Amino acid sequence: EAGVAQSPRYKIIEKRQSVAFWCNPISGHATLYWYQQILGQGPKLLIQFQNNGVVDDSQLPKDRFSAERLKGVDSTLKIQPAKLEDSAVYLCASRVSGGSVEQYFGPGTRLTVT
Amino acid sequence: EDQVTQSPEALRLQEGESSSLNCSYTVSGLRGLFWYRQDPGKGPEFLFTLYSAGEEKEKERLKATLTKKESFLHITAPKPEDSATYLCAVQPGGSNYKLTFGKGTLLTVNP
Repeated sequence: EAGVAQSPRYKIIEKRQSVAFWCNPISGHATLYWYQQILGQGPKLLIQFQNNGVVDDSQLPKDRFSAERLKGVDSTLKIQPAKLEDSAVYLCASRVSGGSVEQYFGPGTRLTVT
Repeated sequence: EDQVTQSPEALRLQEGESSSLNCSYTVSGLRGLFWYRQDPGKGPEFLFTLYSAGEEKEKERLKATLTKKESFLHITAPKPEDSATYLCAVQPGGSNYKLTFGKGTLLTVNP
């Protein structure tokens, strides 16, 4: 079974530029999560989708971050404009839904904002 | 607000030297406590889910235990390949299955 796919793996941009990350979850997983992991910290949830609907975006900085999951499968996370403090690894995770609780993570996208 | 505190922040062991990592938590109605392993440049890899106090789970040299306030990850006779950051996370009851993570413990096992 293929795991969670993310691209790109690395991205370097200047502040005030925009950037987008892509995630393809494990096949059949209805729930998709985006996390931000700053160096030396644990992952922090940004947004959660159930199929193509948003379940929780309470910690998403909505003035600059946006995310979508239009067909209930893959998802994109966008930052516009980026700030220095957005430098982090952006992790995507998926869960099969129903009673299953475990989340499975992709390899992440490392973003550096200069 | 759910909180997870892991200790120590870093642990250095000699190969074969057993030890434990701690995860203390506060959460409203625990649905599950999770342990993940994270290697440099990779996403977290799922290890265990614990659901209730007194529960234990094992996988190779790792054993996770749970009480009402904390969880321990015991590492027996570690090998260098066990070197990684170990993350603890809690999931409260409710409908959205969100995870709150600790900062992790960086484990280094020297040969």
